[in-house]
Amino acid sequence: QVTLRESGPALVKPTQTLTLTCTFSGFSLSTSGMCVSWIRQPPGKALEWLALIDWDDDKYYSTSLKTRLTISKDTSKNQVVLTMTNMDPVDTATYYCARSYRPGFYFDYWGQGTLVTVSS
Amino acid sequence: QSALTQPASVSGSPGQSITISCTGTSSDVGSYNLVSWYQQHPGKAPKLMIYEVSKRPSGVSNRFSGSKSGNTASLTISGLQAEDEADYYCCSYAGSSTLVVFGGGTKLTVL
Repeated sequence: QVTLRESGPALVKPTQTLTLTCTFSGFSLSTSGMCVSWIRQPPGKALEWLALIDWDDDKYYSTSLKTRLTISKDTSKNQVVLTMTNMDPVDTATYYCARSYRPGFYFDYWGQGTLVTVSS
Repeated sequence: QSALTQPASVSGSPGQSITISCTGTSSDVGSYNLVSWYQQHPGKAPKLMIYEVSKRPSGVSNRFSGSKSGNTASLTISGLQAEDEADYYCCSYAGSSTLVVFGGGTKLTVL
């Protein structure tokens, strides 16, 4: 059974760095083709893809947020970590992690999401 | 502004069919058969409904179908049911630089 769970702070202050952890089970990120992405959704708004890391440790970032994002993995712990620097109130959103494949790039399993509010 | 364009809302009566469009460009939808669709109920995580334009994951009703023509992909839901009322998002691979783009979402109302 595949599961993913996001964890991290519910509240961060402007200019701070956000660190989110995705802990997953039921698959291995060392399996060829396997990927994990981060996707966010501001309240009442659309989904926005942020970053992807694949089995080969290749990393991809949203063009608009590339300078603020870092994605990494710990295969032994079944975890993927996303850091986002210089947080702003517009970054308030529910952050999801999701499994996908290369090729295909569709997200078949999602975590429940974690709401991050940016406020002083 | 999302990269893929979807109608903000669509509606239909139970038993009817509806189609949601997703318009991209020759750099994403038009170039790759890697369009996926997601259903999202309020307060819930998105659920994969269609992948690779027209494939259905195991467990998804065959009332859901997908297609593509040129730069526009479509999701059709036949035999509308009350439980289909939700937000729907399209998504496309967009090449090795941009990688993935989502649509702005469509709210489906079952009248």
